[in-house]
This record gives sequence, C-alpha cells and structure tokens, in this order.
Amino acid sequence: EIVLTQSPGTLSLSPGERATLSCRASRSVADSYLAWYQQKPGQAPRLLIYGASTRATGIPDRFSGSGSGTDFTLTISRLEPEDFAVYYCQENVNSREITFGPGTKVDIK
Amino acid sequence: QVHLQESGPGLVKPSETLSLTCTVSGYSISSGYYWGWIRQSPGKGLEWIGFVYRSGNPYYNPSLKSRVTISVDTSKNQFSLRLSSVTAADAAVYYCARVTYGDYYFDYWGQGSLVTVSS
Repeated sequence: EIVLTQSPGTLSLSPGERATLSCRASRSVADSYLAWYQQKPGQAPRLLIYGASTRATGIPDRFSGSGSGTDFTLTISRLEPEDFAVYYCQENVNSREITFGPGTKVDIK
Repeated sequence: QVHLQESGPGLVKPSETLSLTCTVSGYSISSGYYWGWIRQSPGKGLEWIGFVYRSGNPYYNPSLKSRVTISVDTSKNQFSLRLSSVTAADAAVYYCARVTYGDYYFDYWGQGSLVTVSS
C-alpha cells in the first residue's frame, strides 16, 4: 500500500504570496497517476492538476504542478483570495487502487 | 457540461445498508469512463470507495471491499453505491464522480450527499 504524506499540514500566507505544497509517496509512483485537488468548505473537491503537471480545464496558470518519483509539488505563484482552501494530492496504486493524501490547508495569515 | 447528482436517504440505522444513486447528465455513461464514489468523514480527508466501468466491472477499496457494491444502470444513466452493515464510522459526505479511463483521476464531481448513521 502506498501512503501519501502532505506537508505542511497548514500553510498560513497572505494574498499575493507564493504557496508551495508538498506531496510525498512512500514509494515511487508514475507521473501520470498523480493529481491535485482543491476543496473549499461545503464544496466538492475540484480537479486542478493531473499527470503531475497538466492543468485541468479552466484552471488558472498561477497553479502549477511538478515532481516525479516520490516527491511532487503544487505551486500557487500568487495567492488570490479564492485560493484559500484545502489541497489534496491523489495517486492510484497498481493502476486501479486510489489513495488520497491527508491534505494541506492554505489559510489567510 | 457533465453534471452528477447524488440521491438517497440521509439517515441510515446501524447494521443496515446505505444506498445512494448518482444521476449523470450531459454525458452518457455508456460512452465510457469509470464512475466512482468517494467519501469524506466530518472534518476529515477523502477516502476512495470504488469505481465501475460501463460494463459493470468494479474495483473497490480493499478496506471496504467486503461491504461495498457499485453498479451501473446505463438505461437510466445512473450508477449506485451500496454499503452494508454500516456503523457510525461510515457517517460521511458521499461524493460520486467521473473517473478518467487509464489515469484514474476524478474530473467531475457531484455536490455530495451527507449520510448520518444513527438509530
């Protein structure tokens, strides 16, 4: 079983600042199987990034994904007020077994 | 635009079976993709439950496999979740979602359905 660890648990930043979120897997994963989601209170998660670095439809270019192997990063270049939310990474194990990370909360400093 | 909507009882008694249905609009289930369920306990993270292809071949989270059934009804453009022998630990918001074929990420989600387990 692959375990995904996200850090930090909470990131306190101001609008306009850069956010760097980490997702680490307990063993190497295929890039194409790493995705990132954003979830705001009371809402369903929204797909941001898939294939480790490809933005989903309609996602602003201030969101970017990178990484490979066991270490992946979601970067928000300049935080907008609507970006304060919880972010989850997701990977699929053995192609058909899906795992989510515990999430990183980005809140307003 | 693809739209998913969960429906079903919001209250289930302990030891009984939780049943939810997801109605899909804007896309025909029979055209492809997997169709899945994810849950989120209050204040907690996301837990994958399982997904099914249009043909009905399901894949389940091993931790829930003995209690879960996911099925597809292409004639109604719906898919369903059944979770048996529920306990308080199964109380959560249940989301249905479309799952991309091959990469296994969730590109469209329902709004979620809150299920409480109580006698």
